[in-house]
Amino acid sequence: GIQVEQSPPDLILQEGANSTLRCNFSDSVNNLQWFHQNPWGQLINLFYIPSGTKQNGRLSATTVATERYSLLYISSSQTTDSGVYFCAVGPAGYQLIWGAGTKLIIKP
Amino acid sequence: GAVVSQHPSRVICKSGTSVKIECRSLDFQATTMFWYRQFPKQSLMLMATSNEGSKATYEQGVEKDKFLINHASLTLSTLTVTSAHPEDSSFYICSANSGPAYEQYFGPGTRLTVT
Repeated sequence: GIQVEQSPPDLILQEGANSTLRCNFSDSVNNLQWFHQNPWGQLINLFYIPSGTKQNGRLSATTVATERYSLLYISSSQTTDSGVYFCAVGPAGYQLIWGAGTKLIIKP
Repeated sequence: GAVVSQHPSRVICKSGTSVKIECRSLDFQATTMFWYRQFPKQSLMLMATSNEGSKATYEQGVEKDKFLINHASLTLSTLTVTSAHPEDSSFYICSANSGPAYEQYFGPGTRLTVT
C-alpha cells in the first residue's frame, strides 16, 4: 500500500522563526490534507491540497503531485502553533493514509 | 462551515458496560462518516467507514461486534463500544465527508477511559 513519510519528526523553534514541514508519499493520490492537532486533541483542517499551492495567513502549502511530495510552510511562528502536524493522503475514494506527524514546539 | 461535533467529549465507564459516542455534521449532510482511534503519541487509525442507511465497512482487525456503528441519518453516526474493557480506553475521533471532493472534516474527539 501507499507509504506516507513526514519529516522532521520533531522540531523545536523560537517564536518568530519560519519552518518547513515535508510529506512524501509513494504513489499517486486524489486527496492530500494537512492538519494541526492541538494539545486537546482537536484536529484542525489546514489545507486540502492534492495539487498546487494555497496560502492562509502565515501558513502556506505546496503539493507537487508528479514528484509525490507536499510542503507546509509556517512563517513567523507563534506559541499557539505548537502541536502535531499531520499529513494524510487518499490514494482512492475517501480512504486517508496518515503520516506519523511532526511534533512542533515553539518556545517563547 | 463544515463543522462536526462529537458527544461526549470525555467519558469514564466501568469494565463490562457499553458506551455510545455520537458524531454529528452540524451544517452539512455527510454522505460518508469515518471513525478513527488514536493511541497516545501515535497517528490516527481508521476503524470503519459508514454510509447513511447501509452497514459500516470495518478495517481489518477491528471487531464489528464490539464496535457497533450506526449511520442513521445524513447528519448522525454513532459508535457504541460494547462490553468495554480497559484496553478499549483511547481517543476516538469521527470525521465526515460531504462530497464530491474527498476532503474530510473532523470532530473534536472523545476520550474514553474504562476502569
